[in-house]
Amino acid sequence: SAVISQKPSRDICQRGTSLTIQCQVDSQVTMMFWYRQQPGQSLTLIATANQGSEATYESGFVIDKFPISRPNLTFSTLTVSNMSPEDSSIYLCSVEPQETQYFGPGTRLLVL
Amino acid sequence: GENVEQHPSTLSVQEGDSAVIKCTYSDSASNYFPWYKQELGKRPQLIIDIRSNVGEKKDQRIAVTLNKTAKHFSLHITETQPEDSAVYFCAARQTGANNLFFGTGTRLTVIP
Repeated sequence: SAVISQKPSRDICQRGTSLTIQCQVDSQVTMMFWYRQQPGQSLTLIATANQGSEATYESGFVIDKFPISRPNLTFSTLTVSNMSPEDSSIYLCSVEPQETQYFGPGTRLLVL
Repeated sequence: GENVEQHPSTLSVQEGDSAVIKCTYSDSASNYFPWYKQELGKRPQLIIDIRSNVGEKKDQRIAVTLNKTAKHFSLHITETQPEDSAVYFCAARQTGANNLFFGTGTRLTVIP
């Protein structure tokens, strides 16, 4: 398994601002995944982050809105840029050591 | 990409009864099917998974069955308990891919 932490756990932000979410894993992993879970909804993959290369974004998500960093094998950040109320969601990072995917505790974001 | 459908969206059972949740997938090349349990305000937790070379897998009160021909898989919970109340998500992963495609979730309520 993997121990995953995220910061912040929750935040309330004003529209037009940006928030950077951090994800830390207790072991080195090749890929880290960022998901969004809108209220009462399922999980939607935003992007996959590999160290040393640009993240791969899913349809409907773009780098300008959700820039991602992956400076090493245990850490990644996701920035939600120029936020609007529609960005209010839970953002979860995920890792997959040994073909099983584990999730972080999530960051609950409310945009006013 | 893969498309995963999940039914029912809500399910209520009496304590001690069985619960069954069903998912279908679209890509016959998908080969990995995990199930996650998400309690209110918490992260999704893997409860059981199955790979395409196996038809059934059981872990105490939980079992998963896979029908590759029909492209559907099901979660079975026997002797349900109030602590089984949660939202359950199925997912599928395509061969050669790393990301998961999630179903829409089933809110299970076990009535004491």
